[in-house]
Amino acid sequence: EVQLVESGGGLVKPGGSLRLSCAASGFTFTNVWMIWVRQAPGKGLEWVGRIKTRSDGGTTDYAAPVKDRFIISRDDSKNMLYLQMNSLKTEDTAIYYCTTDLHRGYSGSWGQGTLVTVSS
Amino acid sequence: EIVLTQSPATLSLSPGERATLSCRASQSVSSYLAWYQQKPGQAPRLLMYDASNRAAGIPARFSGSGSGTDFTLTISSLESEDFAVYYCQHRSNWPPHSFGQGTKLEIK
Repeated sequence: EVQLVESGGGLVKPGGSLRLSCAASGFTFTNVWMIWVRQAPGKGLEWVGRIKTRSDGGTTDYAAPVKDRFIISRDDSKNMLYLQMNSLKTEDTAIYYCTTDLHRGYSGSWGQGTLVTVSS
Repeated sequence: EIVLTQSPATLSLSPGERATLSCRASQSVSSYLAWYQQKPGQAPRLLMYDASNRAAGIPARFSGSGSGTDFTLTISSLESEDFAVYYCQHRSNWPPHSFGQGTKLEIK
C-alpha cells in the first residue's frame, strides 16, 4: 500500500524559510516522479511543482508563483521527497500535499498534507 | 498557461439523482484530463484520468467523457458518500498542470 507522510509544516514569518519532508513507502520510490500540490484555507488546489526520477534526469518544474523561491529535491536512498520554501509570503499559507505522479502529470496517491502558515 | 473552468460552482441534488459536472479548458488538452474528489478534512482522491479511465477502486457509477476543450464527469446515481468537491486537472504539454476551481456537489 502506498503511504506518503508529510512533515515539517508550521508557523513562519514572512520572508522566512521552511523545509517540508515527505516519507514514501509501499512502492519503488526511485521509479516514480513526485509532485507537490497545495491548498490555501477554504480554496482550491494549486499545482506547485514536480521532480522527475534520476533516470529521467531528476529535473524539476515549478508553478510561476513559487519559481525561484521553492526547491524540490529527493533522496532516493531514504525514500524521501523535500520542498525547500524560501522567501515565504502570506499567500503561501496552505496545506501542502505530497503526491505520486501518474501518467506524467496526474496525482495518483496523496499524503494527508501538512499545514504551513505564513504570518507575522 | 492553460486555464480550466468548472461549472456549475455548486450543484444541489438528491441521492439517486444523476450528476453532471463540466470542465472547460482555455485551449485543447487532447484527452489529458483528470477528475478528483475531495471530502471535508481529507486529501483529494483521483477518480478519472485521461478523460474516461476510472482510477483503481472507483465505482462504475462514475464516468468521464470529452476531449479537446470540453469535458464531463457523470455520476449516474448519487450515493450519500458522493457529496463532495470535485476538481478537474490537465496534464497537457508543459507544467504547470493546473486545476479547475472546483464544483461543490451538495445534498438538496
